Amino acid sequence: TQLLEQSPQFLSIQEGENLTVYCNSSSVFSSLQWYRQEPGEGPVLLVTVVTGGEVKKLKRLTFQFGDARKDSSLHITAAQPGDTGLYLCAGVYNAGNMLTFGGGTRLMVKP
Amino acid sequence: EAGVAQSPRYKIIEKRQSVAFWCNPISGHATLYWYQQILGQGPKLLIQFQNNGVVDDSQLPKDRFSAERLKGVDSTLKIQPAKLEDSAVYLCASSLRPGQRSSAVFMNTEAFFGQGTRLTVV
Repeated sequence: TQLLEQSPQFLSIQEGENLTVYCNSSSVFSSLQWYRQEPGEGPVLLVTVVTGGEVKKLKRLTFQFGDARKDSSLHITAAQPGDTGLYLCAGVYNAGNMLTFGGGTRLMVKP
Repeated sequence: EAGVAQSPRYKIIEKRQSVAFWCNPISGHATLYWYQQILGQGPKLLIQFQNNGVVDDSQLPKDRFSAERLKGVDSTLKIQPAKLEDSAVYLCASSLRPGQRSSAVFMNTEAFFGQGTRLTVV
């Protein structure tokens, strides 16, 4: 079983602050996805990164895929209370193409 | 477009009882996943189907868990007998097909999730 490690596990910040969440693995992934999950709901896809070194931006969120396709980061600029939630990275790897999730980063943005 | 449907939303059972969960994926989605999400953790893949065939079930506790997708559409996940540590949210997801690298085109792997079934074993 391939493992995706996310850090930090918990993050509590004030509105307006910046933050970065990391996702690391010892395995090479075909692609990596970031999801956001709210209480009582299933995860919802934010972005998919495919190419090593790729950077994607979604409003105040910036996603980067490592050159070796083993790690990724999510950076949020000027966080808002609406960004509060569980952020999950998920990787697709090997011929089975299974979607494996990391442990998640629980973010709380205080007004 | 209808999303992934799961039922029931909540279930409370006593240990050693049996329980079944149902999932109806998005129409046309060949891939179906069952995940177990324990409170405070990320989803753990239990089983992945491609149409009605099993792609991976290496993390499914086969002595007590079973899943089927007989006609390649909806799926059921069963636990028999349940243990206290089975208390979790069981998420079903579907996607068009797994993403595969090729020299030309990457096929989207986006997984669409249902709301999940929250199971409490007492």
